[in-house]
Amino acid sequence: EDQVTQSPEALRLQEGESSSLNCSYTVSGLRGLFWYRQDPGKGPEFLFTLYSAGEEKEKERLKATLTKKESFLHITAPKPEDSATYLCAVQAYGKTTASKLTFGTGTRLQVTL
Amino acid sequence: DAGVIQSPRHEVTEMGQEVTLRCKPISGHDYLFWYRQTMMRGLELLIYFNNNVPIDDSGMPEDRFSAKMPNASFSTLKIQPSEPRDSAVYFCASSLGQENQKLFFGSGTQLSVL
Repeated sequence: EDQVTQSPEALRLQEGESSSLNCSYTVSGLRGLFWYRQDPGKGPEFLFTLYSAGEEKEKERLKATLTKKESFLHITAPKPEDSATYLCAVQAYGKTTASKLTFGTGTRLQVTL
Repeated sequence: DAGVIQSPRHEVTEMGQEVTLRCKPISGHDYLFWYRQTMMRGLELLIYFNNNVPIDDSGMPEDRFSAKMPNASFSTLKIQPSEPRDSAVYFCASSLGQENQKLFFGSGTQLSVL
């Protein structure tokens, strides 16, 4: 069974204080690893897809990296508007599983002034 | 495009009542997913459709839950009878193609069963 574990559960940063969120996974053949952002009262919003170990993707102050066992979401010089829950999900190879994403429970990030 | 549209946004009902959640996917998307989100278990996939056909309903908790997609622009998730443990946020999401799992989520339905 595919599993995704995210840490920490919650993280409080001051504006400008860089940090990283962790996503550890076990999957029977990784097809893709996904990062989503979720604001309160809203559905998750897509950020990145990573497909192979060593791959990196960047968007503004966010950079996602991937190894064979985990992914990191690095946040550089965060701003209050980066406050949200960040979700990690994996997609496995397989005829019936190829379209299924298994999500972690997320990291709640709060960035204060 | 207006994105994925879900209704109602909030639903409060009493145990034993029937609940119907509705979803309009993004036009042209061929995959539709129903997820349930709770604090304890996070986002869980309930069922997904491809071209209006249910492909995998292994996440549906029990026979009280059913989902339909009568056409490409509409899907329903029904709970009958509802129970307090069904209280959660239910999300509908759509995507284009199996290779691209960039899901577009609706704003969800907050369900409270008293």
